[in-house]
Parts: sequence; C-alpha cells; structure tokens
Amino acid sequence: QKEVEQNSGPLSVPEGAIASLNCTYSDRGSQSFFWYRQYSGKSPELIMFIYSNGDKEDGRFTAQLNKASQYVSLLIRDSQPSDSATYLCAVNRYDMRFGAGTRLTVKP
Amino acid sequence: DTAVSQTPKYLVTQMGNDKSIKCEQNLGHDTMYWYKQDSKKFLKIMFSYNNKELIINETVPNRFSPKSPDKAHLNLHINSLELGDSAVYFCASSQDQGSGNTIYFGEGSWLTVV
Repeated sequence: QKEVEQNSGPLSVPEGAIASLNCTYSDRGSQSFFWYRQYSGKSPELIMFIYSNGDKEDGRFTAQLNKASQYVSLLIRDSQPSDSATYLCAVNRYDMRFGAGTRLTVKP
Repeated sequence: DTAVSQTPKYLVTQMGNDKSIKCEQNLGHDTMYWYKQDSKKFLKIMFSYNNKELIINETVPNRFSPKSPDKAHLNLHINSLELGDSAVYFCASSQDQGSGNTIYFGEGSWLTVV
C-alpha cells in the first residue's frame, strides 16, 4: 500500500466549476497535511496545510481532513484555467511524503 | 532573491560520469532535503539534514552522497551515473524537522544521463 494515494487523473472541469481532489494516507500517526500545486516544468508550491479534522478555507481553496477515514481533500471553487496544474497531497509525520499527484485541467 | 537556489538547473551527462548539484537556502531554516521526481512525477524523499546532521537516508544507492558544510547548504554528489538516475532533483528546506513544518522547494535540477 502506498503511503499517500491520489487519483492520477486527469481531472477535467469547466471554468467556474468546483474541482474536487482527493487523497488517502496509510500512516495513522500522520499529524499534518499539505496541498502543493506544481505547474509543468516548475517546482511544487504550497497552497495550504491542515492539521485538525474539519474544513479550512483560504480564498477559493478549501482543505478537508478526516483522520478517522485517513482522508484529505482539496476543493477549488470557481476554477480558472490558471488552476490547471498537478496537485500534490503531502503527509507529514517524521518527514513529508508525497502522493503521485492529480493532474487538473480547467477548460475555458 | 531566491529562497532556495540550486545549480545547475540543467545537466546532461554520460553514463559513468560523476556530477554534483549544489543547493543553498537563505531562509534561516535548520532542515534541508533532497527529493527526486521521476518521469511519472512521483516526488520521493532521498535525504534530510537537520543543522548539518543526517536525519533521513532513504533507500538510495550509495552512489548518491549528500554533504552539508553548514545548515544553509546541502549538496548532492552522484558517482557512476546510470540511465535510471535521469530525473528532476529538488532541494528543499523547512524551519526544522517537526511534522508541522512547511517545505519550500528550489527550482529543481533536470538531470539527463545519456
């Protein structure tokens, strides 16, 4: 079982729609959870992090964490073509482990 | 002023050669990392140093040798390069090694072994 699992996609949504990205993790002792965005040919950049169960909102982005289900998600509201990228879920206990990423395409 | 900088950005070399990638961070962080991203975009940790001390050494061939002369620098030396070493190598840093720390990445070094 992979430590951090994501659907590789591609996930395609129309402009203005909600994009939903999902992630599961295997280590129940994981304490912090991150979403990074990576444009093609660029380095990963942090979107947001979440530590506690529930929702955390930052602008158009909402992270959701359910530790009992070992599940993390990222919702992107009012998706824009500029949101087209690969989204990496990362889980941190002793060090940060990444999922393989979900490629999102937002079509105008 | 780049926070985590690594050089070179692109490197094309022949099998069997030895090469180094240098990394420097000016964020004042205590912990630095090397990650490898393969052709399938999977980002995998290789090494972690905290204040010049090796903390994490994943299952990486011993042809890869990291060196941290001070806490602001973490270099990666690779001996006897193989085709499978072709990847993007990202240097990164965080405030310290605690689980709540955000990791900041350098721009990456694209290594191609021919």
